Amino acid sequence: AQKITQTQPGMFVQEKEAVTLDCTYDTSDPSYGLFWYKQPSSGEMIFLIYQGSYDQQNATEGRYSLNFQKARKSANLVISASQLGDSAMYFCAMREGPTGTASKLTFGTGTRLQVTL
Amino acid sequence: DSGVTQTPKHLITATGQRVTLRCSPRSGDLSVYWYQQSLDQGLQFLIQYYNGEERAKGNILERFSAQQFPDLHSELNLSSLELGDSALYFCASSGDGGDQETQYFGPGTRLLVL
Repeated sequence: AQKITQTQPGMFVQEKEAVTLDCTYDTSDPSYGLFWYKQPSSGEMIFLIYQGSYDQQNATEGRYSLNFQKARKSANLVISASQLGDSAMYFCAMREGPTGTASKLTFGTGTRLQVTL
Repeated sequence: DSGVTQTPKHLITATGQRVTLRCSPRSGDLSVYWYQQSLDQGLQFLIQYYNGEERAKGNILERFSAQQFPDLHSELNLSSLELGDSALYFCASSGDGGDQETQYFGPGTRLLVL
């Protein structure tokens, strides 16, 4: 089974609107971390936001917020007030194991977001 | 700028050849990870080093090897290259614990095997 599932291969959003990118995950580990990365056409991977499995509140970083629903095993990324520069590929990733054990990330297949005028 | 550097940015080589990709982690980060991004396989974890020692291995082929040096920079060696090895190779680094576990990625090395 896929550990990280991103069901939206592509999304369109109008400038200044909000958009939600979906991510569901599968793990039996009680301790894990969830990450979102942005990959623009230039290719680099840019860290956006992190949510720990024991965090009580949803993570926020500027215009990015993570809608964490533990029981549903979902970690959706919400981008508010979209900008043209948000057009990129977005990857959801998971680290399994307790905080303090730096370990590999498992990535989803990504969602390509296109922001239009 | 993530603080992780990778060289070279682009590499074009022929089948059967050997190449070395280099990575310098962010200052203070002890963990280095290598990932491969290809069209058919997506982003795949290859190997992790922590303070010079191999910590975890993923889908790394036997033709590939890596090491982390005392100054914490890392090299990924790819040998007997095949067309299917063409991909974007990322290095990432992280510290340990809390927010320091976030992996910051280098700009990648784009490898083309002809």
